[in-house]
Amino acid sequence: DAGVIQSPRHEVTEMGQEVTLRCKPISGHDYLFWYRQTMMRGLELLIYFNNNVPIDDSGMPEDRFSAKMPNASFSTLKIQPSEPRDSAVYFCASRATLSYEQYFGPGTRLTVT
Amino acid sequence: QKEVEQDPGPLSVPEGAIVSLNCTYSNSAFQYFMWYRQYSRKGPELLMYTYSSGNKEDGRFTAQVDKSSKYISLFIRDSQPSDSATYLCATANTGNQFYFGTGTSLTVIP
Repeated sequence: DAGVIQSPRHEVTEMGQEVTLRCKPISGHDYLFWYRQTMMRGLELLIYFNNNVPIDDSGMPEDRFSAKMPNASFSTLKIQPSEPRDSAVYFCASRATLSYEQYFGPGTRLTVT
Repeated sequence: QKEVEQDPGPLSVPEGAIVSLNCTYSNSAFQYFMWYRQYSRKGPELLMYTYSSGNKEDGRFTAQVDKSSKYISLFIRDSQPSDSATYLCATANTGNQFYFGTGTSLTVIP
């Protein structure tokens, strides 16, 4: 099993640009989570999906952030327009219905200048 | 008040030492308690999991939960250089909404 796959691994962009982060969950996992990690705030849940449906997006910081899951094997997190304070590591995680364990991807390190 | 508070360290110990990592949490409804280990430039990976109060042991690692004081601990015996990582505590009352501490950076010196 390849685990959770995220792309790109690193992204450097200028303020105001659109950023799209991608995630492929582990096959068979029904839940997908997007997190953001910063030194100051640690790991924060942004949104999670169950069977491709967004269940809780209360952690999404602003309307500039949006997430989609068009099918069971792909999800995107989009930031438009990006701002320097969005600089962080963004993680995708997935889990199976009958398990509590969330499996994390390697993360995307985003830098907005 | 954050749901989970964790001393960020950094913590530096000699090889073979016993390491104690601690967190406090605020919501008495939390039932699930986890420790994740995160190596540099990697995603977190589950290390230990406990449900409700009590102790759980796995090799050199022991997780403790004291619900009366809302305190969770991770002990590492005979620490090894390969244990050098950031350790994140997490709590939840369901399998979905996890609250993570900010992590404690640990370095084990050979």
